[in-house]
Amino acid sequence: AQSVTQLGSHVSVSEGALVLLRCNYSSSVPPYLFWYVQYPNQGLQLLLKYTSAATLVKGINGFEAEFKKSETSFHLTKPSAHMSDAAEYFCAVSNPSGTYKYIFGTGTRLKVLA
Amino acid sequence: NAGVTQTPKFQVLKTGQSMTLQCAQDMNHEYMSWYRQDPGMGLRLIHYSVGAGITDQGEVPNGYNVSRSTTEDFPLRLLSAAPSQTSVYFCASSYSRRQITDTQYFGPGTRLTVL
Repeated sequence: AQSVTQLGSHVSVSEGALVLLRCNYSSSVPPYLFWYVQYPNQGLQLLLKYTSAATLVKGINGFEAEFKKSETSFHLTKPSAHMSDAAEYFCAVSNPSGTYKYIFGTGTRLKVLA
Repeated sequence: NAGVTQTPKFQVLKTGQSMTLQCAQDMNHEYMSWYRQDPGMGLRLIHYSVGAGITDQGEVPNGYNVSRSTTEDFPLRLLSAAPSQTSVYFCASSYSRRQITDTQYFGPGTRLTVL
């Protein structure tokens, strides 16, 4: 069965510092992985997704994530945090062997300190 | 395109009342789903649909009903509201029922409080 684990429900970084949000997955088949962002009082929107074309995936707003099969990880990074990055971030995995398509992690709330 | 729309944005119910949360999409998407979002629990799937006339249960379906009479609309019904159903509800859609690399498009959410 597929699952995702997001380490750290809250992460704080200083403006200009590296952002690292962790996601580990469990999958019995090659996974497809997603990162979504939720700004305050809004719905989720796609940041990036891994569909096996390339292990380093670039997304919107300067974010990227690297698929590492040996570590079963898909961590999200951004070299320099901006105040506007403050949001909640969700990792998700596709569910090809199940009846519904996606499984979400519990989310990581990113706080950016001035 | 309006994308995925949800109404109402906010709702307060008393225990035992029923109501319907509306969801519509104008992208001709096959796959639609309802999630609830609770602190520390992420998004949990309530019900989903792979096309008009076809619905199925997700992880937390108890207390909720859905129907899909058209491709565009996917309403969620609370049969007899309970305080445990206080949550933020999101509707989402994606293009294909089978393509698991699809992006999901989310509505803005409905914040429901049950007293």
